Amino acid sequence: KQEVTQIPAALSVPEGENLVLNCSFTDSAIYNLQWFRQDPGKGLTSLLLIQSSQREQTSGRLNASLDKSSGRSTLYIAASQPGDSATYLCAVTVYFGTGTSLTVIP
Amino acid sequence: EAEVAQSPRYKITEKSQAVAFWCDPISGHATLYWYRQILGQGPELLVQFQDESVVDDSQLPKDRFSAERLKGVDSTLKIQPAELGDSAMYLCASSLRGRMEHNEQFFGPGTRLTVL
Repeated sequence: KQEVTQIPAALSVPEGENLVLNCSFTDSAIYNLQWFRQDPGKGLTSLLLIQSSQREQTSGRLNASLDKSSGRSTLYIAASQPGDSATYLCAVTVYFGTGTSLTVIP
Repeated sequence: EAEVAQSPRYKITEKSQAVAFWCDPISGHATLYWYRQILGQGPELLVQFQDESVVDDSQLPKDRFSAERLKGVDSTLKIQPAELGDSAMYLCASSLRGRMEHNEQFFGPGTRLTVL
């Protein structure tokens, strides 16, 4: 069974700072990896999907990378804003990590 | 913009009662997923459908949970009887049939269940 781990569990940064969220997985035979955002009490919003053949994907201030051989993915957020405060989850097909709770301080 | 619909948004019930959740996926999405998310944890897959067929229900507590997608479109998840430990967010997601590496999941707003 695929195990997905996200570190750190919580992160607090001042507004404007660039930051990196980490996701690791145990089985490198994956189809894709997806990053989501979840606001308190809400559903999940898809941010980026990286196919197994890709190394990275970009959307606005977000950049996600994938290294299958090492079982790792990172989500890079540039110039963080208070509106970025949320929990960020990564998923390898149907297997989810426990998320990183991000707080961006104005 | 196409969205996954879920109802109800909130449900409060007493233990031993029956509850049901409904999900309508994005039009044309053949794959439908039901997840349970306990506060502070990531979603856990309960059941996955491809059209009307169950692909994976290995984590579904079949003594009390059931799920159906009779016409391969909308789906219902039922719990009978509900237990205190079932209190959680129940999330529905859908994705296109396509190649596995292209299968992007889209989630609905969820149903928050509280069992008293």
